[in-house]
Amino acid sequence: QKEVEQDPGPLSVPEGAIVSLNCTYSNSAFQYFMWYRQYSRKGPELLMYTYSSGNKEDGRFTAQVDKSSKYISLFIRDSQPSDSATYLCAMGGRGGSEKLVFGKGTKLTVNP
Amino acid sequence: NAGVTQTPKFRVLKTGQSMTLLCAQDMNHEYMYWYRQDPGMGLRLIHYSVGEGTTAKGEVPDGYNVSRLKKQNFLLGLESAAPSQTSVYFCASSYRPGQATLNTEAFFGQGTRLTVV
Repeated sequence: QKEVEQDPGPLSVPEGAIVSLNCTYSNSAFQYFMWYRQYSRKGPELLMYTYSSGNKEDGRFTAQVDKSSKYISLFIRDSQPSDSATYLCAMGGRGGSEKLVFGKGTKLTVNP
Repeated sequence: NAGVTQTPKFRVLKTGQSMTLLCAQDMNHEYMYWYRQDPGMGLRLIHYSVGEGTTAKGEVPDGYNVSRLKKQNFLLGLESAAPSQTSVYFCASSYRPGQATLNTEAFFGQGTRLTVV
């Protein structure tokens, strides 16, 4: 079983839709969870960061972590064409980012 | 504030040629990383450094060497390029845990597209 599993998509939705992106993981030691957004031909940039279980909201974005189920989600409300990108989950335990494990990314297209 | 800058942005190499990719960061980060990104494979860590003068192997280190002579620079070398090294290479940097924040967010450069023919 891979440490982090992420559905690669692609996912195509109409503008204004609610988008749900998900990752599952197997390592119980993971303590912090991130979502990166990567536009085409650009480097990944941090979108959301969550430590341990719970929800975190930032504008139209909500990150959820369920450590009991080893499942994390990113919700995008009122999706916009500018949200079209690849979304990568990343997670890690104690230590620096060298211990981050990335999902393979989900490609999202929001159609006007 | 430029963040993380990678040089060059594009390169085509012939099999067996060598080259060096340069990464520079101006955020005073202790940690620096080199990743490769391939379709269907996601981001894979090649080598990383936890401080000036230190380097360590990541998940896929074979065929690559690195050096961190200055805190702000991290070089990735390919001594004898192979077609399997065709990829997009990303450099990233982050604080040491506890240096400035518990958040070990990695800041990425814009990538180098390398094709080996």
